Amino acid sequence: GAVVSQHPSRVICKSGTSVKIECRSLDFQATTMFWYRQFPKQSLMLMATSNEGSKATYEQGVEKDKFLINHASLTLSTLTVTSAHPEDSSFYICSARDPPGTGVVEQFFGPGTRLTVL
Amino acid sequence: GQNIDQPTEMTATEGAIVQINCTYQTSGFNGLFWYQQHAGEALTFLSYNVLDGLEEKGRFSSFLSRSKGYSYLLLKELQMKDSASYLCAVRPYGQNFVFGPGTRLSVLP
Repeated sequence: GAVVSQHPSRVICKSGTSVKIECRSLDFQATTMFWYRQFPKQSLMLMATSNEGSKATYEQGVEKDKFLINHASLTLSTLTVTSAHPEDSSFYICSARDPPGTGVVEQFFGPGTRLTVL
Repeated sequence: GQNIDQPTEMTATEGAIVQINCTYQTSGFNGLFWYQQHAGEALTFLSYNVLDGLEEKGRFSSFLSRSKGYSYLLLKELQMKDSASYLCAVRPYGQNFVFGPGTRLSVLP
């Protein structure tokens, strides 16, 4: 299956700093990528949909100024957590899917990034 | 919206068979997916059902009944490594994935 990578896999930062997480589709072009967060022992919650070349679409309750998303190319989306606080500590997972019309409905998930804010 | 429900936790014995249920409410969708997730790790795709019936894939099978809004994941010949969370997800028409709360399965020796 298709491969999606994330970098870094783990990051620890101080409160007030910003952290950038990268999501790459390695063997296909992804016009759409998705960012999820997952708290311990909970399910994945969609944060935003990242569209190549246009603004991201954020889910209700997600602060777009705090979670900056950039999808500058067909293989790369970045999530920047700005002015991170301890409550932002979570597991962040991205996913990507093939462009519409390919007939593939599956989404491919990255391995996740564990963010710890001290 | 979509309401997806799964049992929170299940326990089974090594070598046994376990069925994890998933119920959902949505008017139409592009398929129901099952994923496995070991603690702190990536999601692993297990199965995909778009039509009613049973899809078998080795020790894992998944069943879907669209009229009943019901799916289950069947795990046979359980192994210790099957201890993980199992998430069902639906993808409504024109919308993104919606995940269920996940079921934490513990396999005991």
